[in-house]
Amino acid sequence: GAGVSQTPSNKVTEKGKYVELRCDPISGHTALYWYRQSLGQGPEFLIYFQGTGAADDSGLPNDRFFAVRPEGSVSTLKIQRTERGDSAVYLCASSSRAGSVEQYFGPGTRLTVT
Amino acid sequence: KNQVEQSPQSLIILEGKNCTLQCNYTVSPFSNLRWYKQDTGRGPVSLTIMTFSENTKSNGRYTATLDADTKQSSLHITASQLSDSASYICVVTRNTPLVFGKGTRLSVIA
Repeated sequence: GAGVSQTPSNKVTEKGKYVELRCDPISGHTALYWYRQSLGQGPEFLIYFQGTGAADDSGLPNDRFFAVRPEGSVSTLKIQRTERGDSAVYLCASSSRAGSVEQYFGPGTRLTVT
Repeated sequence: KNQVEQSPQSLIILEGKNCTLQCNYTVSPFSNLRWYKQDTGRGPVSLTIMTFSENTKSNGRYTATLDADTKQSSLHITASQLSDSASYICVVTRNTPLVFGKGTRLSVIA
């Protein structure tokens, strides 16, 4: 596939559990972004990678959230001790580089914390 | 206060009609402004990207305008189709992170 893919598409977990959300960017894209979208809201920036390093993680809400991109391609968003307020759609996007270029979004992972 | 405000919140129009969606922003410094279309259950898809020096950009039936002095943008949709039903999100870039508006929910009915 040529687009950004995310797995799983849906994740239901119990409060307090740990979850991992995966993003496969478009091949060759060096920039990768994570966003969170609550119902009826626009996406909210979480973290941005340029290559393997997190260039900007200012959007991560607290230290329960962490993301990695060890080889500069696939990224994993990790949420520890999930809370009901973490329920949202988590979107991943990639672009050929940072800056004024198009970002291509994946379909998102819908996370529900019960 | 949200740095990107969109209006109206929702809109219903008849198929074939035109419509205009509005976006006001306070994000500064400003790098570029984007309009995205988001179908229900899907990720956003880019429609236009404009830098501060551009004041109009078209993509088929979609035309975006930008007034960087008044910090306003609009998205005009011509000859609407049922498939235009979606959320339209205005996004302003301040350096790297994108700042999203809440979107306008457009419904096109036959």
